[in-house]
Amino acid sequence: NAGVTQTPKFQVLKTGQSMTLQCAQDMNHNSMYWYRQDPGMGLRLIYYSASEGTTDKGEVPNGYNVSRLNKREFSLRLESAAPSQTSVYFCASSSSGMFGTQYFGPGTRLTVL
Amino acid sequence: GEDVEQSLFLSVREGDSSVINCTYTDSSSTYLYWYKQEPGAGLQLLTYIFSNMDMKQDQRLTVLLNKKDKHLSLRIADTQTGDSAIYFCAETLSGFQKLVFGTGTRLLVSP
Repeated sequence: NAGVTQTPKFQVLKTGQSMTLQCAQDMNHNSMYWYRQDPGMGLRLIYYSASEGTTDKGEVPNGYNVSRLNKREFSLRLESAAPSQTSVYFCASSSSGMFGTQYFGPGTRLTVL
Repeated sequence: GEDVEQSLFLSVREGDSSVINCTYTDSSSTYLYWYKQEPGAGLQLLTYIFSNMDMKQDQRLTVLLNKKDKHLSLRIADTQTGDSAIYFCAETLSGFQKLVFGTGTRLLVSP
């Protein structure tokens, strides 16, 4: 099992460019999450999907959109990147009812110039 | 509020015990968690404690929960250099299917 995979690992964008971060899990989990990690601020939830077909905003959703493509895949899109979105992005998944036990991907390090 | 607070940094010598502290806000949290993040990697669940427990031991790890003071601690016995990482505590919020993470404590273990 690969667990949670994320692509790409690194990305550099110019202000105003768009991109999609991909995430997939092979653990048959219902719930998936996108976080950003910034120095001294821990992890902040951007969006989550409690089950296939549903998505909800987290703490910092502005500037992002998500798509729960199917049970395995949950993508995060930046429509018009800004320097404030420079961060490390993590995808995670969990099974229903055990949403505190989350499995994390290796992260995508994004720099917006 | 949803702030989960931790001290930013802890330095210990190999073989000593480490104690990482956390204060949380939601008195109705059902579970409280400790995650570990090694350099360049995602977070990995270390252990968790149910809110009706005071203590949980798992090999070198001991979790203590003081619900009255909303204080959670993680003790690592016989700390090794491989324990150097960032440790995050996290709480679940009543009615929400999500975790709220603390800011993380960077543990540095020197030989």
